[in-house]
Amino acid sequence: SQQGEEDPQALSIQEGENATMNCSYKTSINNLQWYRQNSGRGLVHLILIRSNEREKHSGRLRVTLDTSKKSSSLLITASRAADTASYFCATDEDDKIIFGKGTRLHILP
Amino acid sequence: DARVTQTPRDKVTEMGQEVTMRCQPILGHNTVFWYRQTMMQGLELLAYFRNRAPLDDSGMPKDRFSAEMPDATLATLKIQPSEPRDSAVYFCASGSSFTAGAGTDTQYFGPGTRLTVL
Repeated sequence: SQQGEEDPQALSIQEGENATMNCSYKTSINNLQWYRQNSGRGLVHLILIRSNEREKHSGRLRVTLDTSKKSSSLLITASRAADTASYFCATDEDDKIIFGKGTRLHILP
Repeated sequence: DARVTQTPRDKVTEMGQEVTMRCQPILGHNTVFWYRQTMMQGLELLAYFRNRAPLDDSGMPKDRFSAEMPDATLATLKIQPSEPRDSAVYFCASGSSFTAGAGTDTQYFGPGTRLTVL
């Protein structure tokens, strides 16, 4: 089935550094969401950005959306050990919910 | 603190057996989703309901899977007969939407049911 693509697939950074993850999609969307999943747990919603928005902030999270490039990025600033998780983007393409395969983020102490 | 609940949390069964997974969505949410997550395929949407009516179950193997919402507080996903390739974590999520299509503003995920079919 069609899926959004996140990159990188895995990312390891030092605590305190910024982490950037990207997501691309294929068709038109109404909104794009980012979720976090800790190992063995359900997904937790982080932030939603609508197709007419370009940037959104929530705490240490910053999401951008470029509809001309069909891509979004999630920036986590001043990373912490607790940010270690998998991060997924989800889009509502063609009336379907499409999740990417995720980026595994590991914060090194 | 409203949450989506799922039962059972873990299920180990033998090939050929029937498996029923249950989900209680957050009260007031009108959309319920069933997902399956595996390492190989990632998170796949199996089916979703809006106001208890099935809107899309194209992601579900029809011959063995069935999903229902007997009432607004219960969604079920049944596999009969189960096969080893059904081993995965099955998530239920709920949300609110008043637009056409699958989109909701936010999906709230349950903790998942880890299914192992031997």
